[in-house]
Order: sequence, then C-alpha cells, then structure tokens
Amino acid sequence: EIVLTQSPDTLSLFPGERATLSCRASQTVSKSYLAWYQQKPGQTPRLLISAASTRAAGTPDRFTGSGSGTDFTLTISRLESEDFAVYYCQQYGSSPFTFGPGTTVDIK
Amino acid sequence: ELQLVQSGAEVRKPGESLKISCKASGYTFTNYWIAWVRQMPGKGLEWVGIISPRDSDTRYSPSFQGQVTISADNSITTTYLQWSSLQASDTAMYFCARGRYYTYGVYSWFDPWGQGTLVIVSS
Repeated sequence: EIVLTQSPDTLSLFPGERATLSCRASQTVSKSYLAWYQQKPGQTPRLLISAASTRAAGTPDRFTGSGSGTDFTLTISRLESEDFAVYYCQQYGSSPFTFGPGTTVDIK
Repeated sequence: ELQLVQSGAEVRKPGESLKISCKASGYTFTNYWIAWVRQMPGKGLEWVGIISPRDSDTRYSPSFQGQVTISADNSITTTYLQWSSLQASDTAMYFCARGRYYTYGVYSWFDPWGQGTLVIVSS
C-alpha cells in the first residue's frame, strides 16, 4: 500500500499570498496518477487536479499541480477567501487508492 | 445534470445491519466506476472500495475487506454499501463518488461526489 504524507499539517497565510502544499508518496506513483481535492467545512470534497497537473473542469488557473515519482506539489498562486480549506492528495496508480492526511490552509 | 444522491442519515446499534445507497443520474451508469470513501468525525478521507456496475468487478481496501460489501443495481442506477454487523467504530460520514470511464480500468480519481451519508452507531 502506498502511504501519502502531506506537509505542512497547517498553513496559515494572508489572502493574496502564495500557498505551496506538498504530498510525498512512500513508493513511486504509477503514471503520476495523483489527484488533489479541496474540502471546506461541512461540504463534500471537490476534485481540483488529476494526473498530477491536469485541472478539473471549473478549477481556477491559480491552482497548479506539479511533480512526478514520489514528490508532488499543489500551488495556489494568490489565495482568495474561498481557498481556505483542507486539501487532500490521493494516489490512484495502485490499489488500494490512498489519500494523504490533508493540509489545512487557514487565514492568518 | 450529473449527480449522485445518497440516502439519509442512519442511527443503528452495535451488531445491527445497514445498507446505504447512492443513486446516480445524468450519465450512463454502467460506463463509470463508483467508489465509496469514509470520513470519520474530524478526520481525513479513507478509500473503502470501488465497483464497476458494468461487470460488478469490485475491489476493497484491505482495511475494509470483509467488513463491508459494495454492490450495484443497474436497473435503478444505484450503488450500495452495506454492513452485516456494525461497530461503534463504523460511525462516520460515507461518500460515494464517480470514478473514471470503464475503459481506463479501475485507476480512478473521484468526481463528482455524493452529499454523504452520516452513519452513527451507538448503544
């Protein structure tokens, strides 16, 4: 089973700042099958990025996914108020399809 | 409109059985995998398992294998997650989510998600 580690646990930033979230896998993620989700309190998760860098429909271009192998990054170029949430990475390159523990992005 | 609508919240006692549902609409049901994901109170997301309604091919996370059963009824475009004997530790929100088109195999991200079904197990 591939274990995903996300860092930091919490990122406290001002609106307008840049956020850099890390997701590290215990083994190579096959075909860069790595997705990112956003979840706000009381809401369902929302797919942001698939295949490490492909934005899902409706994902603003301030969200950028990058990486390959075992190291992946989600960058939010300029935080807007609606971006403060929990972000999860998920690998789907090998079963079981595992999620990371999440990074909380909150307002400083 | 593509959507997944889940059944309502459930309260059960330990040892009881339960089956929750996820009804799909707005797309060809048999063409896409459907997954189930658990979220315990205040915690992160855990993949439970996934089913292909096309051929009932089902995969489970080792953490959930033998603890739950995933099934589908194509005639009513509905997927199910069921327990034969609930435990207090099953208390969580359970989400269904659509996977990828069947030709891509089981390797799926999940989009969209159902609204979630809260399961509370308490004596």
